[in-house]
Amino acid sequence: GIQVEQSPPDLILQEGANSTLRCNFSDSVNNLQWFHQNPWGQLINLFYIPSGTKQNGRLSATTVATERYSLLYISSSQTTDSGVYFCAVGFSGGGADGLTFGKGTHLIIQP
Amino acid sequence: KAGVTQTPRYLIKTRGQQVTLSCSPISGHRSVSWYQQTPGQGLQFLFEYFSETQRNKGNFPGRFSGRQFSNSRSEMNVSTLELGDSALYLCASSRDSPFNEQFFGPGTRLTVL
Repeated sequence: GIQVEQSPPDLILQEGANSTLRCNFSDSVNNLQWFHQNPWGQLINLFYIPSGTKQNGRLSATTVATERYSLLYISSSQTTDSGVYFCAVGFSGGGADGLTFGKGTHLIIQP
Repeated sequence: KAGVTQTPRYLIKTRGQQVTLSCSPISGHRSVSWYQQTPGQGLQFLFEYFSETQRNKGNFPGRFSGRQFSNSRSEMNVSTLELGDSALYLCASSRDSPFNEQFFGPGTRLTVL
């Protein structure tokens, strides 16, 4: 099945810093989403971005489908940005057709 | 528009019992997927339902089953619970395909003693 790798696994930053999270995937995808999992476990949608670039406030994302990677940018970090960020891809063909998740990036923003 | 709802939010069961979890998708969404999250295995796809039919299935034993009703609400059932079934179970809804944007519910945290 498709492989999804996220880096870095852990990231500790000071409030106000910028960060870049990366997601590499091993095959062509039909769907790519970024999520933020809050402390209670809920997955919050950040971006649905199988290709191209999107921005939402301090967050932006870029997916280069031909090179099989996606980047999530967080600018001017706030403590509320802390949590785990997941990249998930949807892949049709030879698999189960659900989302395949990476292991996540655990982000800690210190005041 | 209301989000995805899941009930119950927390559940404690003992080995050998069975459990049923419920998920109500966003209004108008017809695809419902279920995922299991554990510290060791991360987030894994269980199955997906559309129009009351299981369309896709992940690599889980037959003890894990589900169904979908005509109003798109879905239930999943785990029979003969094992300690390893302790996990956060997440339901996601999308318009008509798992390749559309998926929206997740708050999850049901199952503890098996």
